[in-house]
Amino acid sequence: QSVLTQPPSVSAAPGQKVTISCSAGNSNIGTDFVSWYQHVPGSAPKLLIYDNNKRPSGIPDRFSGSKSGAAATLGITGLQTGDEADYYCATWNSRLSEGWVFGGGTKLTVL
Amino acid sequence: QLQLQESGPGLVKPSETLSLTCTVSGVPITSRNYYLGWIRQPPGKGLEWVGSIYYSGSAYYNPSLASRATVLEDTSENQVSLQLRSVTAADTAVYYCARQYLGYYSGSGSPLLYYMDVWGKGTTVTVSS
Repeated sequence: QSVLTQPPSVSAAPGQKVTISCSAGNSNIGTDFVSWYQHVPGSAPKLLIYDNNKRPSGIPDRFSGSKSGAAATLGITGLQTGDEADYYCATWNSRLSEGWVFGGGTKLTVL
Repeated sequence: QLQLQESGPGLVKPSETLSLTCTVSGVPITSRNYYLGWIRQPPGKGLEWVGSIYYSGSAYYNPSLASRATVLEDTSENQVSLQLRSVTAADTAVYYCARQYLGYYSGSGSPLLYYMDVWGKGTTVTVSS
């Protein structure tokens, strides 16, 4: 089971905004760094956000990340049909010696 | 430019050992700033971390797979490998290799990895007789 909880799916129309939550529940990720990945089935996952809110070079500013306490959020504005994908949050859980933990993934549908 | 390429047999029989290789091109795997590791995605399910290794040979594993998994590095070939023993149908998945940024070491000596910035395209492994 995932230590990080994400909604199974979200949807919105082109041009709109969505947010995807990532909750650690009873685990403490307050001091851990959360990263977000976009995964189109059949291709390599892509790093979207690292260190909670930083974007790698080449990722448009339509994508944003934030974290507060035990919850992190990915925001996507100006939705495009090309944004349809699965989105995963992840963190390295050093305290429980579990290593990398992923959220269960959220399927984004652009209507 | 760094590239990762996974390779290995696409079909493995139950109870046998799954062996995969990740070939790294563009930079040596002896970088002090990164781990290399394996992540898998079973059909219809999410991403699952398998294990990660530093160039020094220090490795960490998903506790649920630690008894069956071994990740090794071959610095002369610039490769990282995964061996998963006693496989079952539950090990059927797309296996990805990914580079993982090392932030720092804690006071206890445990690494804190920050993110996975480069991924291979993945290789599909089916466990079936």
